[in-house]
Amino acid sequence: SAVISQKPSRDICQRGTSLTIQCQVDSQVTMMFWYRQQPGQSLTLIATANQGSEATYESGFVIDKFPISRPNLTFSTLTVSNMSPEDSSIYLCSVELGEGGNQPQHFGDGTRLSIL
Amino acid sequence: GQNIDQPTEMTATEGAIVQINCTYQTSGFNGLFWYQQHAGEAPTFLSYNVLDGLEEKGRFSSFLSRSKGYSYLLLKELQMKDSASYLCAVRDRNYQLIWGAGTKLIIKP
Repeated sequence: SAVISQKPSRDICQRGTSLTIQCQVDSQVTMMFWYRQQPGQSLTLIATANQGSEATYESGFVIDKFPISRPNLTFSTLTVSNMSPEDSSIYLCSVELGEGGNQPQHFGDGTRLSIL
Repeated sequence: GQNIDQPTEMTATEGAIVQINCTYQTSGFNGLFWYQQHAGEAPTFLSYNVLDGLEEKGRFSSFLSRSKGYSYLLLKELQMKDSASYLCAVRDRNYQLIWGAGTKLIIKP
C-alpha cells in the first residue's frame, strides 16, 4: 500500500471563502481521485486527476467550483471555491497504485469541512 | 442508471457471524470491492472479487455471483472493533467505481 497524507484534516470556514486541500502520496501514481462524502452517505466522485492532463469532472461538479491541480505524480490539490453551507462534507483523495481493474483505491484520511 | 443496494444498518453480537449483502445493477462488470470504514476515518480495502465464488481472508470472506448481480461479505467471530460501515463498490465497463451507500454494522457485547 501507500502512505497518503491529506491536509488539513479539518477546517471551519466562512461562507464565500475558498479552501485548498492537499493530497501527498509517498509513491508515484498515475490516477488520483477526489471524493465527497456527506454524513451517512455514499462516496461521490468529484473528479479524476491524472498528471499532465486536465482533471475529468463528474456530472454535477465543475472546474470553477472545484479547481484541481496535479503538478506531478505524487501530489494533487482540490480547491473548494466560494463555499456555502451545502459544501460542508468530508473530502477524500484516493489513488490506485497500479494499473488493471483489480487494483483497489487507497484513501487519505480525509478533510472534514464545515462552512458557517 | 447504475445502482448498488446494501442494507442501511445491521446489528450482531460479539462472537457471532454476520452476512452483509450487496446487489448491483451496473453497465458492465469489472470486479467488486468491499471496504471497511470506521466512523470519522477513511475507507480501507478489504476484498476483491471478479470471478464467481468465495474469497476467504482470515475472519472475512466475500462471495460473488455475477449472474445474480449479488455479493456478500461474511464476518466471523465478530469483535467489537468490527463495528464500522461496510461499503460495496463495483467497477463498471468503463472501469469507474460505483459505490454503495454502505451498511453500518453495530456489534453488541
